[in-house]
Amino acid sequence: GAGVSQSPSNKVTEKGKDVELRCDPISGHTALYWYRQSLGQGLEFLIYFQGNSAPDKSGLPSDRFSAERTGGSVSTLTIQRTQQEDSAVYLCASSLERTPGRELFFGEGSRLTVL
Amino acid sequence: GQNIDQPTEMTATEGAIVQINCTYQTSGFNGLFWYQQHAGEAPTFLSYNVLDGLEEKGRFSSFLSRSKGYSYLLLKELQMKDSASYLCAVRLDYKLSFGAGTTVTVRA
Repeated sequence: GAGVSQSPSNKVTEKGKDVELRCDPISGHTALYWYRQSLGQGLEFLIYFQGNSAPDKSGLPSDRFSAERTGGSVSTLTIQRTQQEDSAVYLCASSLERTPGRELFFGEGSRLTVL
Repeated sequence: GQNIDQPTEMTATEGAIVQINCTYQTSGFNGLFWYQQHAGEAPTFLSYNVLDGLEEKGRFSSFLSRSKGYSYLLLKELQMKDSASYLCAVRLDYKLSFGAGTTVTVRA
């Protein structure tokens, strides 16, 4: 596709269940990012991929959160044993490379609601 | 930690000018970005400043002063479609650190 694609766009789950969120970046973009956006909060950095490796996982809030990227393309963010405080919009972004002037292109996000 | 501050909300009239300020105190600096985000949509890139001064792009301009840790986004000839959230972000090496965003409401 022409842009960053995320699925599902909306996910409602019960507390304690696991969820998987998928991101399909722009073709050829080597850098991939996951951010979280809560109501009234700024975008919170979660994890950065360069190719298939994740040199920066410093933003993952707990060990319930994990992410992987395969084939230098699609990424999956997994949240295990979801809690109500995990409710947020999870945004994925990709960039051609990590040079300073390269902007990030964002997907429309996956809105997660944990009941 | 990184500190990026911008006002929470601003309101302006159609056809007017609005200036959104952003101040930052960060551990590094590789440039400052402004993004626009309409409700329920993806943030979209507006501007990038890495050197001091003003960058103009149509109705939108962005200014940077690195010594003051300060930037502003200027929106001229406001239109109803400019009602959105405007996000200030500082680039730290490979990632962007964002402010909380400024919600701009344009009234007729």
